[in-house]
Amino acid sequence: QSVLTQPPSASGTPGQRVTISCSGGNSNIGSNYVYWYQQLPGTAPKLLIYRNTQRPSGVPDRFSGSKSGTSASLAISGLRSEDEADYYCATWDGSLSGWVFGGGTKLTVL
Amino acid sequence: EVQLVESGGGLVQPGGSLRLSCASSGFTFSSYEMNWVRQAPGKGLEWISYISSSGDNIYYADSVKGRFTISRDSAKNSLYLQMNSLRPEDTAVYYCARGGVGATFDAFDIWGQGTMVTVSS
Repeated sequence: QSVLTQPPSASGTPGQRVTISCSGGNSNIGSNYVYWYQQLPGTAPKLLIYRNTQRPSGVPDRFSGSKSGTSASLAISGLRSEDEADYYCATWDGSLSGWVFGGGTKLTVL
Repeated sequence: EVQLVESGGGLVQPGGSLRLSCASSGFTFSSYEMNWVRQAPGKGLEWISYISSSGDNIYYADSVKGRFTISRDSAKNSLYLQMNSLRPEDTAVYYCARGGVGATFDAFDIWGQGTMVTVSS
């Protein structure tokens, strides 16, 4: 049971916009930055969004992050087949004194 | 090129020990906090340990506390994870990941390719 709650799956057709939610609590999302990672099949995770809304260089602006209270979201617009991957949210939890990840969301491009 | 390369994984019996290494290159290792993250087969990511750039601040997930020890050697630009009293549920791919500068608890922006640890008799 993950501290951060994500839907196990999401899907969309090419060109569509999809969002993935991440729900937590006051000790984690409510008081710290949220990060998003993309993991393509058989590869190591890759940083997608940092500090709630920032994109590392090289990440397309089709990817965007937001945070409100104890929840965060990742939005992917103009969905492409290469976006098919697992997506994880993460943040520092002050009560646990450790990083926590969401359970991951498997995105399928139909 | 900024890079992290893990090594030391393998097959070990329950109750056994293993030491993982993570060699860094292309950046000033001593300036960055570092982490270990694992992923059991078919499962999600699980953070297991953090060490600040100075080594003064260390944290562990409850699942490994008292059994695993994280350390770093700036002279060798390397991160380590000593794993003792291994259990079958420790079977996973283990990744090292670079955090922020100092002790900022920032993004894991660089990841290694991972090393597989299998605990089985």
